[in-house]
Amino acid sequence: QSVLTQPPSASGTPGERVTISCSGSSSNIGSNTVNWYQQLPGTAPKLLIYSNNQRPSGVPDRFSGSKSGTSASLAISGLQSEDEADYYCAAWDDSLNGLEFGGGTKVTVL
Amino acid sequence: EVQLVESGGGLAQPGRSLRLSCTASGFTFGDYATNWVRQAPGKGPEWVGFIRNKVFGGTTEYAASVKGRFTISRDDSKSIAYLQMNSLKTEDTAVYFCTRGSRLDVDAFDIWGQGTMVTVSS
Repeated sequence: QSVLTQPPSASGTPGERVTISCSGSSSNIGSNTVNWYQQLPGTAPKLLIYSNNQRPSGVPDRFSGSKSGTSASLAISGLQSEDEADYYCAAWDDSLNGLEFGGGTKVTVL
Repeated sequence: EVQLVESGGGLAQPGRSLRLSCTASGFTFGDYATNWVRQAPGKGPEWVGFIRNKVFGGTTEYAASVKGRFTISRDDSKSIAYLQMNSLKTEDTAVYFCTRGSRLDVDAFDIWGQGTMVTVSS
């Protein structure tokens, strides 16, 4: 059971906007940055968003991140078929003294 | 090309040991922290631990689930990080990834290896 809670699934049609939430607490999201990863089937996770809302070079600007209090969100605008993947949030937890991943959200493009 | 390559995975019996290696290329390995992350079949990633770079003392932190059993070390002269796994349990079965901590956010893993499978079974 992860300390970061994500919905298990999300879906949308091509072109739609999909939002994934990540809920935590004061010891993790509330006091540290949130990072997001995309994992395509059979591959290693890929860094999608770092420091709450920054995109690494090469990540399309369709992906955006935000954080407020003890929650964070990943938004995918203009959903494309290649966005079908698992998405994980992650943040350091000061109480556990370790990095925690959310349980993951599977995005399906209808 | 910037990359990390893991090796050393395989089958081990419960209670035995295994050592994984992570070989870096394409960047100055010693400038970065190295994390190990594992992913059990059909599950999400789980952070295992990390080793800071020498500027920050080369110290380590571990997840509670592996503390006291796993040890991370590094040899910057060879650009290699190691994960020594002792007293293995069946629940340690997973793909093990080594990752690089980003310079912009040390908790963000910007480079991942392809992973190496560890199976713990009698």
